[in-house]
Amino acid sequence: DQQVKQNSPSLSVQEGRISILNCDYTNSMFDYFLWYKKYPAEGPTFLISISSIKDKNEDGRFTVFLNKSAKHLSLHIVPSQPGDSAVYFCAASVISSNTGKLIFGQGTTLQVKP
Amino acid sequence: DVKVTQSSRYLVKRTGEKVFLECVQDMDHENMFWYRQDPGLGLRLIYFSYDVKMKEKGDIPEGYSVSREKKERFSLILESASTNQTSMYLCASTQWGGSYEQYFGPGTRLTVT
Repeated sequence: DQQVKQNSPSLSVQEGRISILNCDYTNSMFDYFLWYKKYPAEGPTFLISISSIKDKNEDGRFTVFLNKSAKHLSLHIVPSQPGDSAVYFCAASVISSNTGKLIFGQGTTLQVKP
Repeated sequence: DVKVTQSSRYLVKRTGEKVFLECVQDMDHENMFWYRQDPGLGLRLIYFSYDVKMKEKGDIPEGYSVSREKKERFSLILESASTNQTSMYLCASTQWGGSYEQYFGPGTRLTVT
C-alpha cells in the first residue's frame, strides 16, 4: 500500500529549462509535505516543504505546488542546472501525530544535460 | 552545523551474522529513524524512536531490532543477516514537534553474502 507515489522513475531535461517532478498521495490525513534531494553515496538533504494550508511555496529556483483536491504535489526547478542532477524524493506527514514520521515516495532520478 | 553520523559507510557481512549499525546525532533531537533505501522502492521506515528507550515499528521491522540507550545514539541490529537485507541504510533525526525536516546521515551500504 504505497501512500506516496512518484510515478516517473526518471526525468531528463536540458540545462536552463524547467524540471517538473510529480508526486501523488492517497492519505487525506497528510498535512505536511517535503521534498528531499539525494546524491549518490550521500544521505538525502531537505529541499523545500509545504503545509496543507498553502498551495504554493517558493525558495529561489525551487517551487512546490500542492493540489489538495487532486492529492497531488509537484516540484518545479527553474532554471535547471547540471548540479541539480540527483534523486528527488517527496515525503508526507501527519503533523498531529507528533512522531515526525515521514512517508516517502519511490524517488525520481533527474538528469540535467549541459 | 547539524550532524548525523553513521558508524560505517560500507559493510560486508556473511549470512547469519549479527550486524550492528550505529547512528549518532549532535542536535539534541528527540526523534530518530532508521530507513532502508532500495531501487524503485524509495525510503522505507524500519524503526523509529521518540525518546530514550522508546521505540516504534515502522513499515518493515521484520528481521531488525533497535536500541536507544542514550538520546544521541540509535542503533539498528540485524539479528541474523540475510541476503535480502543487502541495502543502503539511512539514519535520520528530527526535533519533537519541529518542522518535520529530518536530517540524514551519509548512509551505510550493507552487503550480505
